[in-house]
Amino acid sequence: QVQLVQSGAEVKKPGASVKVSCKASGYTFRNYGISWVRQAPGQGLEWMGWISAHDDDTDYAQNFQGRVTMTTDTSTSTAYMELRSLRSDDTAVYYCARAPYSRGWHDAFDIWGQGTMVTVSS
Amino acid sequence: DIQMTQFPSSLSASEGDRVTITCRASQGVSSYVNWYQQKPGKAPKVLIYSASTLQSGVPSRFSGSGSGTYFTLTISSLQPEDFATYHCQQSYTAWTFGQGTKVEIK
Repeated sequence: QVQLVQSGAEVKKPGASVKVSCKASGYTFRNYGISWVRQAPGQGLEWMGWISAHDDDTDYAQNFQGRVTMTTDTSTSTAYMELRSLRSDDTAVYYCARAPYSRGWHDAFDIWGQGTMVTVSS
Repeated sequence: DIQMTQFPSSLSASEGDRVTITCRASQGVSSYVNWYQQKPGKAPKVLIYSASTLQSGVPSRFSGSGSGTYFTLTISSLQPEDFATYHCQQSYTAWTFGQGTKVEIK
């Protein structure tokens, strides 16, 4: 079946980096993009950015520009999100979700990963 | 960036009630609004896309309407499994979410 499976929970110290993976299966990875969304405890959803698995085009939310990098590995159908200079308010569940493969498409996120808890604490 | 203002932030309702949740965009987004349902500890699930199109497998008691800057999600007769948090999302320019509405049991 179509699914996204994310890597496991992480605990990091302030100032460190974290890299979360998202492995796709059940569909042609290069025909879609991946968006990353986070949710702090008890809070709403925050869109972080998008990457096309077709051509590696990216679009980062303003709040994360300069601190986040999204990449893909089409050989393993895996997307990655790296967040640097972690702070305590980066503590959240991070989700990947299937998105359109190109800018200008308006699709909803129809498939989501199970989420990865990232805790930032000294 | 386009902001999505969702209200109410929470509501209490009984089984069988009709419930309406509203989302307002800071600028026109045509009909590019999507609605998600999220249960505790789970990933969101898309209910409605393009303002009013029901995702496959979603019960018909869910409906969406609106265009431009004003959008609503309606549950015509609340069922026990509908107690959850609902999120709107614009997909006109990149994507942004509203703050969410928690639907609780009265």
